[in-house]
Amino acid sequence: QVQLQESGPGLVKPPETLSLTCSVSGGSISTYYWSWIRQPPGKGLEWIGYVYYSGSTNYNPSLESRVTISVDTSKNQFSLKLTSATAADTAVYFCARINHVVTPTYYYYYMDVWGKGTTVTVSS
Amino acid sequence: DIQMTQSPSSLSASVGDRVTITCRASQSIRSYLNWYQQRPGKVPKLLIYGTSTLQSGVPSRFSGSGSGTDFTLTISSLQPEDFATYYCQQSYSTPLGTFGQGTKVEI
Repeated sequence: QVQLQESGPGLVKPPETLSLTCSVSGGSISTYYWSWIRQPPGKGLEWIGYVYYSGSTNYNPSLESRVTISVDTSKNQFSLKLTSATAADTAVYFCARINHVVTPTYYYYYMDVWGKGTTVTVSS
Repeated sequence: DIQMTQSPSSLSASVGDRVTITCRASQSIRSYLNWYQQRPGKVPKLLIYGTSTLQSGVPSRFSGSGSGTDFTLTISSLQPEDFATYYCQQSYSTPLGTFGQGTKVEI
């Protein structure tokens, strides 16, 4: 059974770069998309972006200028970098697997496996 | 960008109640709509994908419907473990995108 585990600093000083890694165990990182999502304290879920195992990416337009998501297939990991961090980036950060189902007329994508989340606080 | 709006933002219900949550997209997303449940302090859990397909292991009291811009999540008989926040998410913009703001189901 695939499991995901986020890791990285719990405290980041502004305006440093927030860096997190998601380790995938119990399965291969290949053939799937992989995503980062965050949740500020007391607020809803915000999709950050995703990376395909091939390295192609797509980001939330509101964060695109500061975000880089990359994949390392040799380590079965993918990573998030968010530059120029501010207090507004304080959140629980989740990584997730994007699975898919194909029908004759539709191609459904959904996040079916999530990491436990890691809290990142941006503060001086 | 596609915006997702859920209503209500919160609701109070009792065990056994039928509960309906609405999600509206700012443009047609056909049937590319997922629902997630997040219990307090827990990780979000996939309930439904493709508007109406239940994820494996999800109780049949959960159901989804809709198409185009208007979608609903229905819990036919609310159970104690269903008190949580529910999020819709569109998967029309390949392959995934924005979430709704969430609907908190409270006692």
